Amino acid sequence: EPEVTQTPSHQVTQMGQEVILRCVPISNHLYFYWYRQILGQKVEFLVSFYNNEISEKSEIFDDQFSVERPDGSNFTLKIRSTKLEDSAMYFCASSDIPQAGYTQYFGPGTRLTVL
Amino acid sequence: AQSVTQPDIHITVSEGASLELRCNYSYGATPYLFWYVQSPGQGLQLLLKYFSGDTLVQGIKGFEAEFKRSQSSFNLRKPSVHWSDAAEYFCAVGGALQGAQKLVFGQGTRLTINP
Repeated sequence: EPEVTQTPSHQVTQMGQEVILRCVPISNHLYFYWYRQILGQKVEFLVSFYNNEISEKSEIFDDQFSVERPDGSNFTLKIRSTKLEDSAMYFCASSDIPQAGYTQYFGPGTRLTVL
Repeated sequence: AQSVTQPDIHITVSEGASLELRCNYSYGATPYLFWYVQSPGQGLQLLLKYFSGDTLVQGIKGFEAEFKRSQSSFNLRKPSVHWSDAAEYFCAVGGALQGAQKLVFGQGTRLTINP
């Protein structure tokens, strides 16, 4: 069964450093998403992406964040200058083709630790 | 604004007992409703979803959920739990519009199984 994959599984970085989190969505999916989950809290939407542009972003997704689909398979989330409060589990998701109802399938997550 | 409430933060049941996890949502239009499960250190796995039609939906691992529009609820049930069902369960609501639709998650319910 096709899966969303994410790398790395765990990233440790110093405050102020840039990080790039990588995702490979399910092939033939058209919609891509990033969510985050701070330890002990609910999963929060960050951004959705379709047709090579951002469809929607949350208040969390400020100028420090960016997303890119650099090729036909990868989808990345970049945090330019990490803060302590960026420490969280980051999940990538992708959606079905429209006829299947936009079910979002999630990757295993990248745990980001900012020191 | 969309919101999801899972009133029970933590539930403990005995193995073999029945289970019901509560979920109430607020959404201004026709909702898409989902239940995801997260095992420790794992990503989010889709258990089941409701888009339209029969209000009782069946999912994987013996789970089912019932959509009750009048109560704005989408409770998850299982007739007999197994020790492997111990995990965190998230209810989520998404839009029924076309295009990339963000999911709004509840706080989650942690399920503990007593032997």
